[in-house]
Amino acid sequence: AQSVTQLDSHVSVSEGTPVLLRCNYSSSYSPSLFWYVQHPNKGLQLLLKYTSAATLVKGINGFEAEFKKSETSFHLTKPSAHMSDAAEYFCVVSDHNNDMRFGAGTRLTVKP
Amino acid sequence: DAEITQSPRHKITETGRQVTLACHQTWNHNNMFWYRQDLGHGLRLIHYSYGVQDTNKGEVSDGYSVSRSNTEDLPLTLESAASSQTSVYFCASSDGPLGGYTFGSGTRLTVV
Repeated sequence: AQSVTQLDSHVSVSEGTPVLLRCNYSSSYSPSLFWYVQHPNKGLQLLLKYTSAATLVKGINGFEAEFKKSETSFHLTKPSAHMSDAAEYFCVVSDHNNDMRFGAGTRLTVKP
Repeated sequence: DAEITQSPRHKITETGRQVTLACHQTWNHNNMFWYRQDLGHGLRLIHYSYGVQDTNKGEVSDGYSVSRSNTEDLPLTLESAASSQTSVYFCASSDGPLGGYTFGSGTRLTVV
């Protein structure tokens, strides 16, 4: 069965500095990978997804992620953090059975 | 526009009562899912359905049931509410493993 590990439960950055949220996955098959964002008291919104096409995936709001099979990683990055990026971020892995497994989440804090 | 809606947004109930949370989607998605979200656990799958009359247990299904009589709805029933079921519940739908999920806004349930 597939699983996801988000390596940091909390990340704090200053506004205007780069963001790195780390995610490692485990899957027996070629997985699909996703990043979701959840703002306080809101539902989850899809940021980006990898589905075996280009390994560098661009998403909304300037975020991108790179699929590295050799490292079983799918880290989320953004060159310059904005205050509105403060939220909870979830890495998700899905196998061919449409069974999606969520990581425990990383809370991103952006300091002025 | 297509959407997925959950009701109610907030619910307080007493221990031992039966409670039903509604989920309605107009995406015409075959796949629907119920998750609960608790601090430190991320999202955990309760039940899911791949189509009308199909229901399956997830990793935390004890004390919950679902039924799928049409494409649009997947109500979640707590047979006898317990304090351990106090949580935020999210419904999601998808059209397959490559598309990712579309989430509802969530239902905050408190069992007293």
